[in-house]
Amino acid sequence: GAVVSQHPSWVICKSGTSVKIECRSLDFQATTMFWYRQFPKQSLMLMATSNEGSKATYEQGVEKDKFLINHASLTLSTLTVTSAHPEDSSFYICSARGGNWSTEAFFGQGTRLTVV
Amino acid sequence: AQSVTQLGSHVSVSEGALVLLRCNYSSSVPPYLFWYVQYPNQGLQLLLKYTTGATLVKGINGFEAEFKKSETSFHLTKPSAHMSDAAEYFCAVSKAAGNKLTFGGGTRVLVKP
Repeated sequence: GAVVSQHPSWVICKSGTSVKIECRSLDFQATTMFWYRQFPKQSLMLMATSNEGSKATYEQGVEKDKFLINHASLTLSTLTVTSAHPEDSSFYICSARGGNWSTEAFFGQGTRLTVV
Repeated sequence: AQSVTQLGSHVSVSEGALVLLRCNYSSSVPPYLFWYVQYPNQGLQLLLKYTTGATLVKGINGFEAEFKKSETSFHLTKPSAHMSDAAEYFCAVSKAAGNKLTFGGGTRVLVKP
């Protein structure tokens, strides 16, 4: 299958700082990328959907000014957690879909964010 | 709106025994159905998917699932559990090809020697 690389795999930051997480499709062009959040021992919750070159569509209850998503190229999307607080600590996972013909999206390895 | 229910947050099986993970869904349109496996601190790996056609779907690592429209179910099975099958399993549904996924709550599988 196609490869999606997510970086960093883990990060610890101080309260009030911003953290950027990258999601790259390595061997295909990702027209759509999805960002999920997973709390410990829970399921994945979709945060937003981004299409290359356009603004992300956020799910209800997700603060777009806090979770900035950029999808500037067909191989890269970034999620920036701004002014992070301890409650933002979570596991963030991206997935990428390559074109309208694709019936599945491929997942990155996830990023464990800890805000102290 | 779509939803997915996985019965049993934890399942314990003996090595060599049958693995059965239950998934029921609701969808207003013909669904695309997926099973994923997640190992600790890792992303999700696709086990199998149903889009159209044959309702019995075979996936990787010996897993298979059957789409039963009348029961709105997509249960995952493996005839003989292996220690390496210990992981978290998620059932998911989407409305269309490559569309956003709605996940079930997950089932953690423990394999006893």
